[in-house]
Amino acid sequence: GEKVEQHESTLSVREGDSAVINCTYTDTASSYFPWYKQEAGKSLHFVIDIRSNVDRKQSQRLTVLLDKKAKRFSLHITATQPEDSAIYFCAASNSGTYQRFGTGTKLQVVP
Amino acid sequence: EAAVTQSPRNKVAVTGGKVTLSCNQTNNHNNMYWYRQDTGHGLRLIHYSYGAGSTEKGDIPDGYKASRPSQENFSLILELATPSQTSVYFCASGEPGTNTGQLYFGEGSKLTVL
Repeated sequence: GEKVEQHESTLSVREGDSAVINCTYTDTASSYFPWYKQEAGKSLHFVIDIRSNVDRKQSQRLTVLLDKKAKRFSLHITATQPEDSAIYFCAASNSGTYQRFGTGTKLQVVP
Repeated sequence: EAAVTQSPRNKVAVTGGKVTLSCNQTNNHNNMYWYRQDTGHGLRLIHYSYGAGSTEKGDIPDGYKASRPSQENFSLILELATPSQTSVYFCASGEPGTNTGQLYFGEGSKLTVL
């Protein structure tokens, strides 16, 4: 079945710098790629997603890039702020099936 | 705002005991899911459901049962709890294949099996 790998387990950036979190997937039929944020001690909530019919999607300071050939997608956060500190999970799914998650990247934004 | 609520939020159980984790959603979503979160593993799917009366196995179903008696409620049942089932469990609801395929998560249920 689908396997989603998240390459950075931790990432530390200075406030105001950019952060990039990378994920790869194995199932060429995967078509939906969401990202979720989990703040310390809390649940997960959705932040941004991308579907396989586009290769880039932006929402304010967040951009997702999708490279279907390489089976890779990434989350880019610009102008990082302390409130961006959290664990970020990538996920992938085939249309209509359940989402499989990466292992999470703990982002620390240092003042 | 979509709402998924779980109970109990914290549970301590003994090995061999029965544990039921409950989930209620007011989103009117057809699909509901139970994941467990463990360090180094991310979230792994245990069971899911397409609607009332339906339950399906996810990636790690062994030792767990699920029940979906209604659109709103989805339970995870551990008939004979083991220490390896100590974890944080998240329920989620969603409608894959729609314009908004995102999942809505509950607050989590922390289970400790002694």
